[in-house]
Amino acid sequence: EIVLTQSPGTLSLSPGERATLSCRASQSVSSTYLAWYQQILGQAPRLLIYGASSRATGIPDRFSGSGSGTDFTLTITRLEPEDFAVYYCQQYSSSPLTFGGGTKVEIK
Amino acid sequence: QVQLVQSGAEVKKPGASVKVSCKTSGYTFTNHVIHWMRQAPGQRLEWMGWINAGDGYTQYSQNFQDRVTFTRDTSASTAYMEVSSLRSEDTAVYFCANAMSDSRYWYFIHWGRGTLVTVSS
Repeated sequence: EIVLTQSPGTLSLSPGERATLSCRASQSVSSTYLAWYQQILGQAPRLLIYGASSRATGIPDRFSGSGSGTDFTLTITRLEPEDFAVYYCQQYSSSPLTFGGGTKVEIK
Repeated sequence: QVQLVQSGAEVKKPGASVKVSCKTSGYTFTNHVIHWMRQAPGQRLEWMGWINAGDGYTQYSQNFQDRVTFTRDTSASTAYMEVSSLRSEDTAVYFCANAMSDSRYWYFIHWGRGTLVTVSS
């Protein structure tokens, strides 16, 4: 099983600042089969990024993903008020599919 | 547009079973698979497994294979997830999500809104 470790657990930032979220895998994620989701409390996750760096339909270009192998990053260039939420990474390289523990981006 | 509509919240006693439905629309049900995930309060998402809506083939995560059953009704474009022998640790929001049959595309664009299952005596 591929274990995904996200850091930091909480990121305290102000609107307009840049957010950098990390997702580290316990073994290599083949072919960059990694996705990122945003989850607002009480809602289903929303797909942001798939294939490590491809933005999903309708996702603003302030969201970008990068990385390969075991180290992946989600960057939000300028935080908007609606971006304060919890972010999860997910690997679909091998079964079982697994999710990271999440990074909460909160208003400073 | 693609929609996945889940059944409503449930409260069950320990030892009971619960069956959650996921009614789909807006796409060809039998050309896709349905994945099930759950999220306990304050915890990460946990993948439970999937069912091929076309042929009914299922695969379960090792953590769930003894107590979980996935089924589907193609005439109703609906998938079902049943958990038996419920215990308090099964209290969670259960989500369904659809995906293409090819596992290379097993990221989730479309989700149900979730079904809260509370297990309490």
